[in-house]
Amino acid sequence: GENVEQHPSTLSVQEGDSAVIKCTYSDSASNYFPWYKQELGKGPQLIIDIRSNVGEKKDQRIAVTLNKTAKHFSLHITETQPEDSAVYFCAASNGNFNKFYFGSGTKLNVKP
Amino acid sequence: DADVTQTPRNRITKTGKRIMLECSQTKGHDRMYWYRQDPGLGLRLIYYSFDVKDINKGEISDGYSVSRQAQAKFSLSLESAIPNQTALYFCATREDRLSTEAFFGQGTRLTVV
Repeated sequence: GENVEQHPSTLSVQEGDSAVIKCTYSDSASNYFPWYKQELGKGPQLIIDIRSNVGEKKDQRIAVTLNKTAKHFSLHITETQPEDSAVYFCAASNGNFNKFYFGSGTKLNVKP
Repeated sequence: DADVTQTPRNRITKTGKRIMLECSQTKGHDRMYWYRQDPGLGLRLIYYSFDVKDINKGEISDGYSVSRQAQAKFSLSLESAIPNQTALYFCATREDRLSTEAFFGQGTRLTVV
């Protein structure tokens, strides 16, 4: 089955700096890669996703890149703000959207 | 009000007790899911349902059972709780077969002592 690894487990940055979270996956059949943000006391919420037919996707200050050959994808947050502080999860799916394989999560702390 | 509501939000129970976690949604979505979150392990799928007559096991269904009482309600039961079922439990919904986004409830923190 699919195995998704996520690094780092914790990340601390200064407000205004950039943050990068990386994930690798094992199943070459995976073709959909969402990122979820979990704020304290809340459930995860989708913030951006990418399909395997594109290499990069941007939405304002966040972007995701995908390298299918190397089987890794990354979340990039620019100009970080304190409200970006949360736990971020990557996930992978092979098109069966009932089954997502999640990474172990990255706790991002943005220091004012 | 939240679109996906879980009750209770927190629960402490004793080993061997039966406990039910409830989930209701106002989004009108067909598909509902139960996940378990453990520190350092991300979210793992326990059960999922396409409709009231269609229940499917996820990757860690042992020790759990579910009931889809209506399109809007999906309950998770631990028949005889054990300490390693201590975790944060999330209910989620998806609109239909082609939808990619999952909408999560706020979670139920369960402690088995």
